Amino acid sequence: EVQLVESGGRLVRPGGSLRLSCGASGFTFDDFPMSWVRQAPGKGLEWVAGINWNGVSTYYVDSVKGRFTISRDNAKNSLYLEMNSLRAEDTALYYCARDKSLGWFDAWGRGTLVTVSS
Amino acid sequence: EIVMTQSPVTLSVSPGERATLSCRASQYVGSNLAWYQQKPGQAPRLLIYGASIRATDIPARFSGSGSGTEFTLTISILLSEDFALYYCQQYNNWLFTFGPGTKVDIK
Repeated sequence: EVQLVESGGRLVRPGGSLRLSCGASGFTFDDFPMSWVRQAPGKGLEWVAGINWNGVSTYYVDSVKGRFTISRDNAKNSLYLEMNSLRAEDTALYYCARDKSLGWFDAWGRGTLVTVSS
Repeated sequence: EIVMTQSPVTLSVSPGERATLSCRASQYVGSNLAWYQQKPGQAPRLLIYGASIRATDIPARFSGSGSGTEFTLTISILLSEDFALYYCQQYNNWLFTFGPGTKVDIK
């Protein structure tokens, strides 16, 4: 069974940093690109960042470029999101998602909540 | 950035009826369009990819159509478990974008 489990979300002050993790199991992790998708409370889905299978290529939505870094460790079956200079508008539930084939997501974790507030 | 719009915002339908949801892309995306269902407190679930291909284990009452910039998700006979939020998403390039969603609720 494909499983994605996110962790690392918590309350953080504006300007602070956080590192999210996503552990994958039930599939060959390095066969797939991966992404982070977020959902602000009561709002819709927003793709945040993506990474190709070997970590060489990364992509970001404009609002997080220069602040967030996506990475992966295929030996540990893990995906990460390093978040710096956090803003109130980054408050959201962050989902880890498996990219089945160049952009559609066939497996999702349950999400980890990041709250940016003073 | 490709902007996705969805209509209507809310669709009120009786169980057993048909629901038709629309999605429009601001630029050409070919068939690079997916649909997701999300229920309260749950992660999104992939329904359709490639504009019209049902994902694994998705019932045949869900169908997708369209290409280019105009897309439709049809639920042929609504069951109680289908009342949820539905999002479209384009993946024509690496800057993936979602629509704002259509809520299907009970009439």
